[in-house]
Amino acid sequence: EIVLTQSPGTLSLSPGERATLSCRASQSVNSRYLAWYQQKPGQAPRLFIYAVSNRATGIPDRFSGSGSETDFTLTISRLEPEDFAVYYCQQYGSSPLTFGQGTKVEIK
Amino acid sequence: QVQLVQSGAEVKKPGASVKVSCKASGYSFTAYYIHWVRQAPGQGLEWMGWINPDSGGTNYAQKFQGWVTVTRDTSITTAYLELSRLTSDDTAVYYCARGDVTTSTDYWGQGTLVTVSS
Repeated sequence: EIVLTQSPGTLSLSPGERATLSCRASQSVNSRYLAWYQQKPGQAPRLFIYAVSNRATGIPDRFSGSGSETDFTLTISRLEPEDFAVYYCQQYGSSPLTFGQGTKVEIK
Repeated sequence: QVQLVQSGAEVKKPGASVKVSCKASGYSFTAYYIHWVRQAPGQGLEWMGWINPDSGGTNYAQKFQGWVTVTRDTSITTAYLELSRLTSDDTAVYYCARGDVTTSTDYWGQGTLVTVSS
């Protein structure tokens, strides 16, 4: 099983600032099958990034994903008020699919 | 538009079983897998398994094998998650999600809260 470790656990930033979220895998992620989800309280997760760097439908271009093999990053170039939420990475290249424990982006 | 609509909240006693449904619409039901993911209160996301609605084939995370069953009824484009021998540790929101080999889980149901309490 691939274990995903996200850091930091909580990121305290102000609107307009840049956010950098990390996701590290215990072994190489197959075929770049790494996704990022946003979840707000009381809501289902929403796909934001798939295949490492592809934005899902409707996701603004201030969100970008990068990385390879075991180290991946989600960057939010300039935080908007609606971006404060929990973000999860997920690998879907091998079974079982696994998620990171999440990074909470909170308003400073 | 793609929609996954899940059944309502459930309250069950320890040792009971529960069956959660996930009605899909807006796309070809047999063309995409259905995944099930759960989230305990205040916790992260845990993948449980998937079903291929076309073949009925399934794949489960090891911890759920033997007591979780995923099925589907293609005539009504609905997938089901059944959990047996419930304990308080199974109290969680259960989500279904459409699975695609490239994009992973791109559309999610609204979630179903299952509470296990004596």
